[in-house]
Amino acid sequence: SQKIEQNSEALNIQEGKTATLTCNYTNYSPAYLQWYRQDPGRGPVFLLLIRENEKEKRKERLKVTFDTTLKQSLFHITASQPADSATYLCAGGNNRKLIWGLGTSLAVNP
Amino acid sequence: DTGVSQDPRHKITKRGQNVTFRCDPISEHNRLYWYRQTLGQGPEFLTYFQNEAQLEKSRLLSDRFSAERPKGSFSTLEIQRTEQGDSAMYLCASSLVPPSQGAGNYGYTFGSGTRLTVV
Repeated sequence: SQKIEQNSEALNIQEGKTATLTCNYTNYSPAYLQWYRQDPGRGPVFLLLIRENEKEKRKERLKVTFDTTLKQSLFHITASQPADSATYLCAGGNNRKLIWGLGTSLAVNP
Repeated sequence: DTGVSQDPRHKITKRGQNVTFRCDPISEHNRLYWYRQTLGQGPEFLTYFQNEAQLEKSRLLSDRFSAERPKGSFSTLEIQRTEQGDSAMYLCASSLVPPSQGAGNYGYTFGSGTRLTVV
């Protein structure tokens, strides 16, 4: 079945370091991948979208890559801050709907 | 436009009762989605509309669930004869045409969700 897989273990890093989160897809080829941030008890908030023909996209301290050979997207937060602590969700889509990962919890320690 | 609004934020109901949730999407968005999410899981697709047409409904969704978007604006999700397993956060999202068809760097805009507890 079509799947999006993300690191199930929480990621703990020190403030100021770069956080890197992984998203792998199997049994399908998404036309684009999206990354969302979700805080407890809230709906996801859209961060970035990258299309299959784009290798890298940046927005402020965020960078996302799309490697169709590895079937993987990497999501980086540079100069991380405690306020970046949240769960980050990856979702892969075509025309109809998104397939979602379970999310990776990130904790940035001061 | 203040984003996607969902009402109520919380709902506690007794098993067997019917519940209805409302979603008001961003007015320019022609697509509206309903998802369900439980703790530690990603959003689970329930159904989506393009304007007033319901284009897809999850096969995992039982006949107790129904959704409408009568005028292509707000939407309602009804659960009949609720069961304890229905307890979850119900999320509504809206978007413009899918990103693969259009230009721009945008995704879904989610509401804050309705947390349902069936006791």
